[in-house]
Amino acid sequence: DAKTTQPNSMESNEEEPVHLPCNHSTISGTDYIHWYRQLPSQGPEYVIHGLTSNVNNRMASLAIAEDRKSSTLILHRATLRDAAVYYCILKGAGSNYKLTFGKGTLLTVNP
Amino acid sequence: GAGVSQSPRYKVAKRGQDVALRCDPISGHVSLFWYQQALGQGPEFLTYFQNEAQLDKSGLPSDRFFAERPEGSVSTLKIQRTQQEDSAVYLCASSVPGRKKMNTEAFFGQGTRLTVV
Repeated sequence: DAKTTQPNSMESNEEEPVHLPCNHSTISGTDYIHWYRQLPSQGPEYVIHGLTSNVNNRMASLAIAEDRKSSTLILHRATLRDAAVYYCILKGAGSNYKLTFGKGTLLTVNP
Repeated sequence: GAGVSQSPRYKVAKRGQDVALRCDPISGHVSLFWYQQALGQGPEFLTYFQNEAQLDKSGLPSDRFFAERPEGSVSTLKIQRTQQEDSAVYLCASSVPGRKKMNTEAFFGQGTRLTVV
């Protein structure tokens, strides 16, 4: 599986935007970029995914670099409930059915 | 229920005891996954079912670990002769599609925290 690199931790203030980076320089042409987050004592929760174009949903936006070697998850206004570990995962379009988690980024949101 | 349900939420087992962890996936979901999460680490894949067929068990750490999904819905992860290194959170996830359409979201349960003493 192609590898992703994320910062171990990031800090943000409530109601400010948060940009969570992910590097994936060995991404293949058919790999989708998925983001999940895990709140304390909960299972992971799907956030967003994309292939080439930027994506928006009710939770977040995903900005994908033109060369697809990096991406950024954007939380437009962080709340205390967004404090979690955020995982960036590459997933193939074909038989790569499982999720390969790294250590993710621990996001702390300050009131 | 609306989501993936796992039971029990917490399990304490004495070393050498057998345990069984249950997962109720979302109704109609074809794919079911088990993951193991050690403290401070991301979840690690254990095994994958499509309906009742176990298509991948490459992540099971030893032959003490066994999973089944006999009717294509509820799944059980069984660990025989538990050891201290088995202490972890065991997560179950389900998703709708089969293998041909994999890029949709997976829904996770809250997990079962297993402590082996």
